[in-house]
Amino acid sequence: NAGVTQTPKFQVLKTGQSMTLQCAQDMNHEYMSWYRQDPGMGLRLIHYSVGAGITDQGEVPNGYNVSRSTTEDFPLRLLSAAPSQTSVYFCASSYTVLNTEAFFGQGTRLTVV
Amino acid sequence: EDKVVQSPLSLVVHEGDTVTLNCSYEVTNFRSLLWYKQEKKAPTFLFMLTSSGIEKKSGRLSSILDKKELSSILNITATQTGDSAIYLCAVAGAQKLVFGQGTRLTINP
Repeated sequence: NAGVTQTPKFQVLKTGQSMTLQCAQDMNHEYMSWYRQDPGMGLRLIHYSVGAGITDQGEVPNGYNVSRSTTEDFPLRLLSAAPSQTSVYFCASSYTVLNTEAFFGQGTRLTVV
Repeated sequence: EDKVVQSPLSLVVHEGDTVTLNCSYEVTNFRSLLWYKQEKKAPTFLFMLTSSGIEKKSGRLSSILDKKELSSILNITATQTGDSAIYLCAVAGAQKLVFGQGTRLTINP
């Protein structure tokens, strides 16, 4: 029962570096999304996808790219890391966004120095 | 712009107390409202509400949705130290699941 697998768990980047956070789910879920969580701000939506080949922006998309070439995978790319991107990142998936619960990965704690 | 607001942001009570957490929303094309509990890591699912006025219960936790008032409450009775967590409210709209800021609940023994 893998569920939603997110890697890495921890990462330290220097300002200007790029990296990709991986997210994979094995539940055949159509809907996948990325959130960031900062103290006192709940979860803020970065990007989401309603199916393979379809992505869209959430509340805070700047500085991030996504793609959805398969149903299972939804990687998040940081193009040029900035200290403001220091946060905890969660990937989530659900069968659809309508009337179904979202399952979360275990999170990635990212620090940009 | 879709918005979900939770109150209070922080709450400290004694073990055995009853607490009520609030969630209000302005979301286009409302589909459902969900409550999650977050301890150290990922949020875990508690309830999903779609119909107004129908209470969902799980042990000491219960929740109800008021679609007329665009709000929901989460009640926890006879609180225990293990209930200490951040409680997140989320609302599913047309294509997005939008979260509130969360309520940090601390239960003191």
